[in-house]
Amino acid sequence: SAVISQKPSRDICQRGTSLTIQCQVDSQVTMMFWYRQQPGQSLTLIATANQGSEATYESGFVIDKFPISRPNLTFSTLTVSNMSPEDSSIYLCSVEKTGVPFGYTFGSGTRLTVV
Amino acid sequence: DAKTTQPPSMDCAEGRAANLPCNHSTISGNEYVYWYRQIHSQGPQYIIHGLKNNETNEMASLIITEDRKSSTLILPHATLRDTAVYYCIVRVETSGSRLTFGEGTQLTVNP
Repeated sequence: SAVISQKPSRDICQRGTSLTIQCQVDSQVTMMFWYRQQPGQSLTLIATANQGSEATYESGFVIDKFPISRPNLTFSTLTVSNMSPEDSSIYLCSVEKTGVPFGYTFGSGTRLTVV
Repeated sequence: DAKTTQPPSMDCAEGRAANLPCNHSTISGNEYVYWYRQIHSQGPQYIIHGLKNNETNEMASLIITEDRKSSTLILPHATLRDTAVYYCIVRVETSGSRLTFGEGTQLTVNP
């Protein structure tokens, strides 16, 4: 299965600033996904990032707040813009494993605290 | 994707079998049942999946009822390291099909 490196693993940021989270995969993957996990809650899909096209955002998430880049088949970034304390969450990158069965591999996440 | 219902929490004694139930009464014929778990401070980890037959791998067994409206994940000999939130998810097995997480079951394995 794919190995995912996510950076930073954690950060404490001031409100009003932006943070870019990187997701590096050790093999080429078609589909990459970004999730948010608010404290004590389950995972919520933010967007799907496909190489060569704009990301597809889920209801409640917009590009201005969470811009995503996908420059190649092994890398993606998620930016959390103009942060507020409500953005304090764990942000997780996930990729689709090729072959059968289709399934997802997750990174270990970025724990973001906004003060 | 079909909605799933799981108990919010369960306890299990170390060394005993842990049986985690999941209801998915609105599952469609082409939807698979997936199980993931999330150990504290880690990303979710794939455990097992199946369509209609029972499945077993090195981590667990999956029992799906004949009508496919419910399933049970079985950890045959639970250890303290199996303490985690377990998610039951149903989805079609096609490229790009999203994973939609419910609230899951917090399994606590006690010594």
